[in-house]
Amino acid sequence: EPEVTQTPSHQVTQMGQEVILRCVPISNHLYFYWYRQILGQKVEFLVSFYNNEISEKSEIFDDQFSVERPDGSNFTLKIRSTKLEDSAMYFCASSPGQAEKLFFGSGTQLSVL
Amino acid sequence: GEDVEQSLFLSVREGDSSVINCTYTDSSSTYLYWYKQEPGAGLQLLTYIFSNMDMKQDQRLTVLLNKKDKHLSLRIADTQTGDSAIYFCASGGSSNTGKLIFGQGTTLQVKP
Repeated sequence: EPEVTQTPSHQVTQMGQEVILRCVPISNHLYFYWYRQILGQKVEFLVSFYNNEISEKSEIFDDQFSVERPDGSNFTLKIRSTKLEDSAMYFCASSPGQAEKLFFGSGTQLSVL
Repeated sequence: GEDVEQSLFLSVREGDSSVINCTYTDSSSTYLYWYKQEPGAGLQLLTYIFSNMDMKQDQRLTVLLNKKDKHLSLRIADTQTGDSAIYFCASGGSSNTGKLIFGQGTTLQVKP
């Protein structure tokens, strides 16, 4: 069964460093998303992406965050200068159509020290 | 703002039925979802219901939607130890752009 793949599964970085989280969405899906879950808190929406542009973003998704689909298969989330409070599990998701069921990856656990 | 609430914990005996409840605030959601998260794993889509339906059954899973009360429930029949996990309710939100609003998750413990 097709699945969303995320790498790495764990990422440790120093505060102020840039990180790139990578995702390979399901191949025929058109909509892509990033969510995050801070330990003990709810899963939160960060951004949705369609047709090579952001379609919606949350207040969390400030200028430190960016997304890119550099080729036909990858979808990345970049955090330019990480803060301690960016430590969280980051989930990538994709869906075949707008507001259709989202399929999530296994997540990348980001730890900022 | 939009919100989804769930109880935090449910414990049942193997073979019993489990019912996990959820309330949401946004009545314009097109879909409502149930996701399952096992330890160390991602969010697995279990089932979903379209907002114009009252009920959906999928093998051991039954979803009930009460739009008037903005209440969603997931019933798992003949609960097994392998069903032990965190179950998240999520609403599609008013924008219907794939921005899901998640509850805090209900930890289901199944005792043998």
